[in-house]
Amino acid sequence: QVQLVESGGGLVKPGGSLRLSCAASGFTFTDYYMNWVRQAPGKGLEWISYISTSGSTIKYADSVRGRFTISRDNAKNSLSLEMNSLRAEDTAFYYCARAPLRGYSFLDRWGQGTLVTVSS
Amino acid sequence: EIVLTQSPGTLSLSPGERATLSCRASQIVSSTYFAWYQQKRGQAPRLLMYGASTRAAGIPDRFSGSGSGTDYTLTISRLEPEDSAVYYCQHYETSPGFGPGTTVDIK
Repeated sequence: QVQLVESGGGLVKPGGSLRLSCAASGFTFTDYYMNWVRQAPGKGLEWISYISTSGSTIKYADSVRGRFTISRDNAKNSLSLEMNSLRAEDTAFYYCARAPLRGYSFLDRWGQGTLVTVSS
Repeated sequence: EIVLTQSPGTLSLSPGERATLSCRASQIVSSTYFAWYQQKRGQAPRLLMYGASTRAAGIPDRFSGSGSGTDYTLTISRLEPEDSAVYYCQHYETSPGFGPGTTVDIK
């Protein structure tokens, strides 16, 4: 069955960096665009990035552009999110999600999320 | 930027009742690019509907979606206790946005 498992969350100081990973299984990873969506504790959902099947097309939300970098390793069925210059407002659960459409899409499978806390 | 608003904020209903959840966009969104999700406490979101009215795999036919233009609706025809959750609408016509959510509480 489809599985997306995020890892790499934790506590980081403002201005610090963190790298999240998402391990995919149970489907042909190279057939799907992949996304990251975050959710501050007790708040709503915020789309932050997608990457195309080959990695050649990437989009970011304005809130993270220039600070976050999405990437994928198709040989390892893995998605990553490199987060730099972290701010308190980046504190959230980060979900990786699969996208059936090319480009902007609905998200048909989600991981369980990993919590990033930015605090001094 | 397309902004989504949802109403009501909270819906408290009994099992077997009908729930009607609304989502309004700040500008016209093609129904092709509209989705609904369910998020239960402590869980990741789950896709319910896409293309405004197409049920995702495994979603019971108690759930239905409709709408066009700026106004979209998710209907749960006969509430069951496990439908207690927060429901989010989403557009994906441009940079995706989500509504703030409607909490459905089953009495």
